[in-house]
Amino acid sequence: TQLLEQSPQFLSIQEGENLTVYCNSSSVFSSLQWYRQEPGEGPVLLVTVVTGGEVKKLKRLTFQFGDARKDSSLHITAAQPGDTGLYLCAGARGNKLVFGAGTILRVKS
Amino acid sequence: DTEVTQTPKHLVMGMTNKKSLKCEQHMGHRAMYWYKQKAKKPPELMFVYSYEKLSINESVPSRFSPECPNSSLLNLHLHALQPEDSALYLCASSQETGLGSEQYFGPGTRLTVT
Repeated sequence: TQLLEQSPQFLSIQEGENLTVYCNSSSVFSSLQWYRQEPGEGPVLLVTVVTGGEVKKLKRLTFQFGDARKDSSLHITAAQPGDTGLYLCAGARGNKLVFGAGTILRVKS
Repeated sequence: DTEVTQTPKHLVMGMTNKKSLKCEQHMGHRAMYWYKQKAKKPPELMFVYSYEKLSINESVPSRFSPECPNSSLLNLHLHALQPEDSALYLCASSQETGLGSEQYFGPGTRLTVT
C-alpha cells in the first residue's frame, strides 16, 4: 500500500488548459514537498508546505496543504509545454522522504 | 546556491567491472542520500548519511558500497552489478535528516549494466 497516493498517474492536455494533481494519505505529515523532474534529470524542488491550510503560489502553480496535513494539491493555470514532466509529492517520515508514485504531465502545443 | 553535482553523467559497465559514482555539495548540508530511480517511477531510497556516518541502509545488496569521505562528498562504489541494476542514480542532500528537511537532488548518473 502506497503511503502517499498521487493522482492522476498520467495527464495529457492542450496548452492553455488548467489541471490539478492530488496527493493523499491517511497519515499526517509535518511537511510535504513537490518536485518536478524532466527526463534524464534529477527532481527539482518546487515548494515545501508546512502549515495545515497553507496555500503557496509560484507563478502559475498553486500548492495547497490540507487542514489536517494529510493531503496536498498542485494546480497549474494555463499550462505550457515547458510544464511537461514528472511531478512528485513527498512527505517527511522520520529520516526519510516518502514519495508518491508521481504524475506524468504532458502539455501539447 | 542549491547545487548538488554528480559525476559521471552517464556510465556503461560490464558485470565484472568496478566503478564509482561521485556526488558533491557545498551547501554545508550534513545529510546526504543515494537513490535509485527506474523510468517513470519515483526515486527509491538506498542509503542515508548523517554527519558522515551511515544511518540508513535500505537492505541494499552488497554490490553497492557507499562511502562518505567528508561532509561534502559522497561516493557509491559498484562491483559485480546485474543488468537489472541499470537505472538513474540520484544523490541528494539536506540541511539535516529528520522532519521537514528539504532535499536537493543532483542531476543523476544514468547507469547501464551490460
